Amino acid sequence: DQQVKQNSPSLSVQEGRISILNCDYTNSMFDYFLWYKKYPAEGPTFLISISSIKDKNEDGRFTVFLNKSAKHLSLHIVPSQPGDSAVYFCAARRGKLIFGQGTTLQVKP
Amino acid sequence: GAVVSQHPSRVICKSGTSVKIECRSLDFQATTMFWYRQFPKQSLMLMATSNEGSKATYEQGVEKDKFLINHASLTLSTLTVTSAHPEDSSFYICSASVGRGGLEQYFGPGTRLTVT
Repeated sequence: DQQVKQNSPSLSVQEGRISILNCDYTNSMFDYFLWYKKYPAEGPTFLISISSIKDKNEDGRFTVFLNKSAKHLSLHIVPSQPGDSAVYFCAARRGKLIFGQGTTLQVKP
Repeated sequence: GAVVSQHPSRVICKSGTSVKIECRSLDFQATTMFWYRQFPKQSLMLMATSNEGSKATYEQGVEKDKFLINHASLTLSTLTVTSAHPEDSSFYICSASVGRGGLEQYFGPGTRLTVT
């Protein structure tokens, strides 16, 4: 039972444009949602999180939006930079973290 | 930021042998450490949670006698894959957390295990 899903395995955007990564979940009891970034041969690094009582959290170029009615969250990166190219995982917490499958973002110069 | 190391980064072993993977928090004391497993193109699956000085809590479907976890100190946790089989080949990642809520987890770089 995949409680957290990232339905797009990959995304390619042009440098300077907006990257939008999406994530859907099924369990309404999750209390926090997080986004992690992972480079090859490295562990995931924390990017940004949002509490289930919020609908938006912004940190520099990164903004996470939460739509509880749709059980959907998204990560917006603007402007996108080549260094943002990585695998992005969304995760949801209910006691433990449950991860999505990841989306590979490629930002082209 | 907090640094978590894993050793070895890659290991190849023969079927039937045991392999130990170390996870260390280098610049902070980790109250809780987590072990994950990742299959190709799939998400990280939590295997177990360990708190220093107590027995690990295993997720459903994870054999505790096969995946031995020892959290001997606030900076070190080990995962031993006993009597490894080819189906145990995977990418194993640990993470460490200061609090018990698991919200702020710092991940190690992972260990690629190949069982031949």
